[in-house]
Amino acid sequence: GAVVSQHPSRVICKSGTSVKIECRSLDFQATTMFWYRQFPKQSLMLMATSNEGSKATYEQGVEKDKFLINHASLTLSTLTVTSAHPEDSSFYICSAPGLAGGYEQYFGPGTRLTVT
Amino acid sequence: GENVEQHPSTLSVQEGDSAVIKCTYSDSASNYFPWYKQELGKGPQLIIDIRSNVGEKKDQRIAVTLNKTAKHFSLHITETQPEDSAVYFCAASRRGTYKYIFGTGTRLKVLA
Repeated sequence: GAVVSQHPSRVICKSGTSVKIECRSLDFQATTMFWYRQFPKQSLMLMATSNEGSKATYEQGVEKDKFLINHASLTLSTLTVTSAHPEDSSFYICSAPGLAGGYEQYFGPGTRLTVT
Repeated sequence: GENVEQHPSTLSVQEGDSAVIKCTYSDSASNYFPWYKQELGKGPQLIIDIRSNVGEKKDQRIAVTLNKTAKHFSLHITETQPEDSAVYFCAASRRGTYKYIFGTGTRLKVLA
């Protein structure tokens, strides 16, 4: 199956700073990618849909100015958590669809963000 | 809003026994139902999926059944092994939208 990578796998940052997480589709192109957040022992919650060459679409309740998404190429989407606070500490996971018009999504390995 | 309910939240079985996890979805337009296995600190891995035009699908020890009328679908794992221990998530989606609604997860523990 297709491979999606994320970098970094873990990051620790201080409160008030910004941190960038990268999501790459390694062997296929993705005009759309998705960003999820997962708190401990909870399910995956969709945060936003990243669209190549256009603005991201955010789910209700997700602050677009806090979670900046850039999808500058067909293989890379970035999520920047701005002015991070301890409550932003979470597991962030991206995904990308497979074949256009198909069903499957391929998930990245996740990034563990800890804000101190 | 759309949601997917998943039961049970935790499940312990003896090695070799079967495990069943059930999900119910609310969006009648959903037509794709994947199941994911997530190990600690890792991203979800697709283990099996089913589309709405099929009632059952099997892949070795894993099977999924779908009842569209009742809007239920279930994951069945037979001959469980300790390495099956993980968190399992169901999801529902409409083809082409890729917007997955995930269930709340089931922590499966297989006791050796």
